[in-house]
Amino acid sequence: QKEVEQNSGPLSVPEGAIASLNCTYSDRGSQSFFWYRQYSGKSPELIMFIYSNGDKEDGRFTAQLNKASQYVSLLIRDSQPSDSATYLCAVEEDFGNEKLTFGTGTRLTIIP
Amino acid sequence: EADIYQTPRYLVIGTGKKITLECSQTMGHDKMYWYQQDPGMELHLIHYSYGVNSTEKGDLSSESTVSRIRTEHFPLTLESARPSHTSQYLCASSVGTAFSGNTIYFGEGSWLTVV
Repeated sequence: QKEVEQNSGPLSVPEGAIASLNCTYSDRGSQSFFWYRQYSGKSPELIMFIYSNGDKEDGRFTAQLNKASQYVSLLIRDSQPSDSATYLCAVEEDFGNEKLTFGTGTRLTIIP
Repeated sequence: EADIYQTPRYLVIGTGKKITLECSQTMGHDKMYWYQQDPGMELHLIHYSYGVNSTEKGDLSSESTVSRIRTEHFPLTLESARPSHTSQYLCASSVGTAFSGNTIYFGEGSWLTVV
């Protein structure tokens, strides 16, 4: 059973600070990693994906992947109240494997 | 921006009724999925399809059934709804490449309440 683990939170971060979200996965063969944002009562929306070790930046968001340690993280710089949501980590076993395993999500609250 | 549509968005029905949740996408994606998510809980894959006439059960057992007669259409059916089927059902589609992995796009969801 492949597992994706996230701290459920809630994680509270002051506005303007850096929010750090972490995710670990059990399948060492996993290839692709995704971060989704889900507002309450809404469907998940893709923020970014990463498949190479290291950092990937997109605007205020940075994804970090360490395959040796089997963790992936998401950093949100200059946190805004609109960033308050649940962040889902998802892992794909192989490129084009077609199925993602989702974590339970971390609930993030940005405090004005 | 993904173009994937679900209807109805909200539905309240009585026990024993048959219901079909509709899902359509206009992107020509071969892969489509149904996820079930209870409020505040994780997503569970209940059905997926690689293309026309291809359907598979997901990781979570479900009494629902699906069909894929056309690429753009992936309806989910419950023959006899029960209160335990009360949940949010999310339809999704994806395009995968060797460089990006399998990027899944979700519809807005169908909230089903069985009374």
